[in-house]
Amino acid sequence: DGGITQSPKYLFRKEGQNVTLSCEQNLNHDAMYWYRQDPGQGLRLIYYSQIVNDFQKGDIAEGYSVSREKKESFPLTVTSAQKNPTAFYLCASSPGVQPQHFGDGTRLSIL
Amino acid sequence: QKEVEQNSGPLSVPEGAIASLNCTYSDRVSQSFFWYRQYSGKSPELIMSIYSNGDKEDGRFTAQLNKASQYVSLLIRDSQPSDSATYLCAVNGRNTPLVFGKGTRLSVIA
Repeated sequence: DGGITQSPKYLFRKEGQNVTLSCEQNLNHDAMYWYRQDPGQGLRLIYYSQIVNDFQKGDIAEGYSVSREKKESFPLTVTSAQKNPTAFYLCASSPGVQPQHFGDGTRLSIL
Repeated sequence: QKEVEQNSGPLSVPEGAIASLNCTYSDRVSQSFFWYRQYSGKSPELIMSIYSNGDKEDGRFTAQLNKASQYVSLLIRDSQPSDSATYLCAVNGRNTPLVFGKGTRLSVIA
C-alpha cells in the first residue's frame, strides 16, 4: 500500500544527544514536510523540501536539521541545540504544494 | 506573519445536530483551504478541500468559503459521537506550505 512511514513511533533523547526521526514515502510525491505539534497546539512547520537536494526552513527550524538525498526519504535530526524537544513530530508529503497527507507521527521525549 | 485563527472550543453538540466550525485567515492572497480531522493521539486526516467561493459538499460535510471576509467554515450534519475530534483549518497561497490553525475540539454527545 502507498503511504508515509515514520519511525520510530516513540523516541527518547538523553541530554546532549542528537536523534534522527525517519520519514519514508512511496507515493512518488515531490514535496515533503516536517511539523511539530505541542499539546493543545496546532502544527508548526520545521522544514520542507519541494525537490531532491533542496529544502527550506520553516517557522521553527532552530535546533533541527534535515536532508533530502532521495525523493522517498526526508529524515529530521533533532540536535542537542533544541532545548525543548518534547513534542509530537509529523511528517507529511504532497504531489505539489498541496494538499498534504501525514504519517502516523513520532513522539519524542527527554529522558 | 500569516495567521489562521480558530476557536479552540470545546464545541459540544448533541448527536444528530449540525456542528459548525469556523476559521479566519489573515493572508488575503490565500488560494487553497483545507479541513483536517485529528483524533486524540493520531495524525491529521484530510477531510475537505475548497478553492473557490461558495459551498462544497461531501457526504455529511460541507465546506464554505468567503474570500472577501477571509472566512472558511466546516459544517457537519447529523453529527455522530465518532465525529468527536479536533478539526484543523489549514490555508496556503501559491507555492507556499500550509499554515495551520490551532484547531477546534468538537465533542458530540450521545
